[in-house]
Amino acid sequence: GDSVTQMEGPVTLSEEAFLTINCTYTATGYPSLFWYVQYPGEGLQLLLKATKADDKGSNKGFEATYRKETTSFHLEKGSVQVSDSAVYFCALSDSHAGANNLFFGTGTRLTVIP
Amino acid sequence: DTAVSQTPKYLVTQMGNDKSIKCEQNLGHDTMYWYKQDSKKFLKIMFSYNNKELIINETVPNRFSPKSPDKAHLNLHINSLELGDSAVYFCASSLGTTYNSPLHFGNGTRLTVT
Repeated sequence: GDSVTQMEGPVTLSEEAFLTINCTYTATGYPSLFWYVQYPGEGLQLLLKATKADDKGSNKGFEATYRKETTSFHLEKGSVQVSDSAVYFCALSDSHAGANNLFFGTGTRLTVIP
Repeated sequence: DTAVSQTPKYLVTQMGNDKSIKCEQNLGHDTMYWYKQDSKKFLKIMFSYNNKELIINETVPNRFSPKSPDKAHLNLHINSLELGDSAVYFCASSLGTTYNSPLHFGNGTRLTVT
């Protein structure tokens, strides 16, 4: 079945450090891949997405590339800020599943300290 | 101009009670969802409606009953509440049911059953 595995947190970084949060997936069909971010006390917001192999999603300095050969969609940012502190969720939606059913990873909590 | 709004934000109740959570979206989306997030931040879909029609009904107890009076509203009624129902419940919507339609989430309802 479909699933997403992302690196365990929490992750604590100093401001301006480089961020990588690993995400790998298993899918039956042709998935679209997403990163969502959840700030404290809020719902999830779409951060970026990629719908086919080799696509790169990017937003707010974050990037992730859809790698079919390694079934990965790792999230990166070159220089994190305190305001990036949040929980990050990798997710996939699979064409095989029919209706839009997002499978989420377990989330990775990022804390950025000044 | 909140896009997806759900009420109440917090709900504390005793075992055995019946409660409802309301959700409304003003994005003009056709599809709405209910997700449950447990204490470890794991997110799992419960239900999805498209134009008031149920299209995803995951394995949840039948004490949970969604109701969609129109495509802008999806309410969740829970009967005979149990301790294990304590979680954060998120409503979401998307433009369609296709597998690459991003979801827009509400801010969540934290349900505590005592």
